[in-house]
Amino acid sequence: NAGVTQTPKFQVLKTGQSMTLQCAQDMNHNSMYWYRQDPGMGLRLIYYSASEGTTDKGEVPNGYNVSRLNKREFSLRLESAAPSQTSVYFCASRGQGWANVLTFGAGSRLTVL
Amino acid sequence: KQEVTQIPAALSVPEGENLVLNCSFTDSAIYNLQWFRQDPGKGLTSLLLIQSSQREQTSGRLNASLDKSSGRSTLYIAASQPGDSATYLCAVTSGGGADGLTFGKGTHLIIQP
Repeated sequence: NAGVTQTPKFQVLKTGQSMTLQCAQDMNHNSMYWYRQDPGMGLRLIYYSASEGTTDKGEVPNGYNVSRLNKREFSLRLESAAPSQTSVYFCASRGQGWANVLTFGAGSRLTVL
Repeated sequence: KQEVTQIPAALSVPEGENLVLNCSFTDSAIYNLQWFRQDPGKGLTSLLLIQSSQREQTSGRLNASLDKSSGRSTLYIAASQPGDSATYLCAVTSGGGADGLTFGKGTHLIIQP
C-alpha cells in the first residue's frame, strides 16, 4: 500500500547511544517532516524538508540531525541519546503546496534509559 | 503566532449518539484545516481536509465545517459507534513556522457500547 513507512517501530537505547530513524514515502511528495509526540505536549515539529536537498529546523531540533537522502527518504538521527528524547516519533509527508493532505507514518516508539 | 485549541480534551458518550468535536484557532488567515484520527499506539489518519475557500466537507458519517471569520471548525459524527473511539486532532495550515502547521492537542473520544 502507498504511504509513509517508518523503521524501527520500537527501540530501546541507553543514554549516550546513537541511532537513526528511517522514513520513506512512495507518493512522490516533496515535503517531509519529523514530529515527536509526548503526553500533554501534543505534536511538535523537529525538522522539516521542503524538497530534496533542503532541511529546516522546527520547534524542537536540539539533539537531532536529519538527512534528506533523496525525494523518497528522510532520516532522523540521534547522535547521543538522552532520556528526554524518550518519545513517539512520527514521519509525515505532503505533496506540492500546503493545499495537500498530510500523510503520517505509523510511528516509532523510542525509549532512552 | 497561531494557536489551536480543542475542547473538550476528553468526551465519553453512549453508542448511537450524534456528537460534535470543536477546534478553534486564533489567526483566521489559514490555507486549510485538517482533521485526523489517532488510535492508541498508531499514527495519525487523515479524515477530512477543508480548504480555506470551503465551508464544509463530508465523508460517510463525518462532516467537518469551517468558519474562518470566527476561527472555528467542528467535526460532526453521526450515529456514533464503539469503533469511533479514538483521539481526534485538528491542524491548521497558516504559513507560520517551518511547516506552516499548527496542531491542537486533540479530543479523546470514548463511545460506550
